[in-house]
Amino acid sequence: GIQVEQSPPDLILQEGANSTLRCNFSDSVNNLQWFHQNPWGQLINLFYIPSGTKQNGRLSATTVATERYSLLYISSSQTTDSGVYFCAVSYNQGGKLIFGQGTELSVKP
Amino acid sequence: NAGVTQTPKFQVLKTGQSMTLQCAQDMNHEYMSWYRQDPGMGLRLIHYSVGAGITDQGEVPNGYNVSRSTTEDFPLRLLSAAPSQTSVYFCASRLSPGQETQYFGPGTRLLVL
Repeated sequence: GIQVEQSPPDLILQEGANSTLRCNFSDSVNNLQWFHQNPWGQLINLFYIPSGTKQNGRLSATTVATERYSLLYISSSQTTDSGVYFCAVSYNQGGKLIFGQGTELSVKP
Repeated sequence: NAGVTQTPKFQVLKTGQSMTLQCAQDMNHEYMSWYRQDPGMGLRLIHYSVGAGITDQGEVPNGYNVSRSTTEDFPLRLLSAAPSQTSVYFCASRLSPGQETQYFGPGTRLLVL
């Protein structure tokens, strides 16, 4: 099956710093999503981005499908950005979303 | 819309007991799925459904059963709980199996003693 690898596994930032999270996948995909799991365990969809670039406030994401990777950018990080960021992909019409291991982000005040 | 709801929030079981984790969505989504989340393992797909009456296995289906009699509900059954099933369980849904945003419920934390 498809492999999804995220890097780095964990990241510590000072408030106000920028960061880039990476997601590599081993096969062509037709669905790619980024999720944020906050410290209370809630999973929130950030982006649906099988290709191209999207921005939402301080967050943006780029997927280069031909090179099988996606990047999540966080600018001017805030303590509320802390949590785990997951990349998930689907590669067939059945729609099964397969998750990476996540990047755990801690933003210090 | 309530979105995706799950009950209970927390459950303690003894080995061998059975239980059903409930999941419901009010967004008329065709696609629903169950994941388990364990430390260091990310989220792993247990079962999924592309519509009422249609279910299929995910990555880790053993020990779990599902059914989908209505569009709204997708219960997950543990027939004989084992300590290895201690985990946090998330239900998710999206409009269709294809290229759509997925939404998660708040999770059920299960402890099997």
